[in-house]
Amino acid sequence: DVKVTQSSRYLVKRTGEKVFLECVQDMDHENMFWYRQDPGLGLRLIYFSYDVKMKEKGDIPEGYSVSREKKERFSLILESASTNQTSMYLCASSSSDNTGSYNEQFFGPGTRLTVL
Amino acid sequence: GNSVTQMEGPVTLSEEAFLTINCTYTATGYPSLFWYVQYPGEGLQLLLKATKADDKGSNKGFEATYRKETTSFHLEKGSVQVSDSAVYFCALTSRTGGGNKLTFGTGTQLKVEL
Repeated sequence: DVKVTQSSRYLVKRTGEKVFLECVQDMDHENMFWYRQDPGLGLRLIYFSYDVKMKEKGDIPEGYSVSREKKERFSLILESASTNQTSMYLCASSSSDNTGSYNEQFFGPGTRLTVL
Repeated sequence: GNSVTQMEGPVTLSEEAFLTINCTYTATGYPSLFWYVQYPGEGLQLLLKATKADDKGSNKGFEATYRKETTSFHLEKGSVQVSDSAVYFCALTSRTGGGNKLTFGTGTQLKVEL
């Protein structure tokens, strides 16, 4: 079974702190994704990566950065957390087929971040 | 751009009732369509998918048919159970850059009562 794990289920931080959210997948997937989930807005893509050291902005990258130094690990960084970044953060991974298309995305359990 | 519109919830049904959750989409090209389910306290998991027009995806008693003429992918189940209570997300792929990414609807919460 594909397993995507996230470092914390719940996290409470203060405004201005630097926050790291870690995601690890164990299926050698090329592609990894970070989303935030908010009521009434669904899931919105923050950043994604299709290879080690590669990253692309999603729909809402402002205030976030990412790091992918190893294939299995994709980190989301909030350089200076703000209250409007209080949300559920979901990581996902997928493989690519031979046309370069993404296959099914597998999700982690999520990290509920509260910024006070 | 690409977008997905789902019916708003929550949808509340009695056990063994028929379920329909509407989903329509706007996309360029020929997207693949997905339904994901999120049970309480968990991440999303793929429920079913369809990759071309007239395909029917099915899993765990749920079905959805890819209708290109109406740009729809409605989720149906003939008899829901309490254990189906969850949030359901419709999504599509959108080719961008070197590959695809998912565009999600806002989700529809389903509550099934005895």
